[in-house]
Amino acid sequence: QSVLTQPPSVSAAPGQKVTISCSGSSSNIGNNYVSWYQHLPGTAPKLLIYDNTGRQSVIPDRFSGSKSDTSATLGITGLQTGDEADYYCGTWDSRLNAFVFGTGTKVTVL
Amino acid sequence: EVQLVESGGGLVQPGGSLRLSCEASGFPFSSYAMHWVRQAPGKGLECLSTILSHGGTTYYADSVKGRFTISRDNSKNTLYLHMGSLRSEDMGVYYCARNTGSDLAPGDYWGQGSLVTVSS
Repeated sequence: QSVLTQPPSVSAAPGQKVTISCSGSSSNIGNNYVSWYQHLPGTAPKLLIYDNTGRQSVIPDRFSGSKSDTSATLGITGLQTGDEADYYCGTWDSRLNAFVFGTGTKVTVL
Repeated sequence: EVQLVESGGGLVQPGGSLRLSCEASGFPFSSYAMHWVRQAPGKGLECLSTILSHGGTTYYADSVKGRFTISRDNSKNTLYLHMGSLRSEDMGVYYCARNTGSDLAPGDYWGQGSLVTVSS
């Protein structure tokens, strides 16, 4: 069981916005940067957000990240059918001395 | 062009060993920390191991500590994962990933994935 908790699923209609929460503790999110990943079956995970809010040029600005205390949030606006995937938060855990992923959230476009 | 090409996956018996390789190109491999990430069937992502750029410092998930060893040969631009005492729960797709960001975190480039099957 992961030390980072995410909702199992979220859904919304095309064009709408979804947010995915990631809850941790002071040993992980509270004192380290958070990353977010998109994972489609059969493909390698894709980095969406790094260092809490950073986004590489190839990632659309529809994706955004934020962090507050021991929680982080991924936002996806203008939802598209191509956004249907599993999404994971991740961060270094200073107590475990390892990088940990969240439990994962499946995004469904209605 | 940055590339990470994995090899070495396959079928192994319970209790057996396997070595995965990840050959890097298109970037200064010796300057980057690297990670191995696994997805078991029906499960989420799990970061198994991390190695710093110089290779002298390594980290492991509790699930593989003592059984798996991460290493790198910067002269060959290659990352390795030596897997021993393999169990059925070690089955899955294994990815190598380059580090990105201010902390240690699997990042912007990943290998294509290597399938490991543990079965008698």
